[in-house]
Amino acid sequence: NAGVMQNPRHLVRRRGQEARLRCSPMKGHSHVYWYRQLPEEGLKFMVYLQKENIIDESGMPKERFSAEFPKEGPSILRIQQVVRGDSAAYFCASSPPQGAEYFGPGTRLTVT
Amino acid sequence: KQEVTQIPAALSVPEGENLVLNCSFTDSAIYNLQWFRQDPGKGLTSLLLIQSSQREQTSGRLNASLDKSSGRSTLYIAASQPGDSATYLCAVKHGSEKLVFGKGTKLTVNP
Repeated sequence: NAGVMQNPRHLVRRRGQEARLRCSPMKGHSHVYWYRQLPEEGLKFMVYLQKENIIDESGMPKERFSAEFPKEGPSILRIQQVVRGDSAAYFCASSPPQGAEYFGPGTRLTVT
Repeated sequence: KQEVTQIPAALSVPEGENLVLNCSFTDSAIYNLQWFRQDPGKGLTSLLLIQSSQREQTSGRLNASLDKSSGRSTLYIAASQPGDSATYLCAVKHGSEKLVFGKGTKLTVNP
């Protein structure tokens, strides 16, 4: 059973470009979560999704950020018009309902 | 608002020592508590999960306890090894199934 997959592992974008981060949950897991880890800070919740539904997006900035988890395919976190402050490690996790969360290796976004 | 605090922020011990990492949370209405390990530049590895109805969980040299009423958890590591060096994160599942993390304890085990 493969773990949570994220790609790309490293992403470099210039200011103003778009960043698309992908996450494939573990087989059998219906819940997907995105977290952000800024340098020298703890992990912060961004958004929680189930298939085709956003359940909780209370941690996601209101502008430029969006997330989806379509019926088929991976979950996508999209950041439009990136700024230097978006540079961080973005982690995806998946779980069964009320089960343990298993994390992917993360995507390290660098905005130049 | 749920807040998770981990003490100490950093810990350095000689190899072979038993050690305890502490985690406290402000709202006892949690579903579960997880301890994770994070190596530099890497993702998170789940170590132990304690459901809110449980008092402790054990895996190998690791033992985690949970006292929900006082809002505390401890992670006990027996006979520490240099390979245990990492940042240990405590997180509680609270509210709409999201995890709230502490800032971690950075552990260094010296050979």
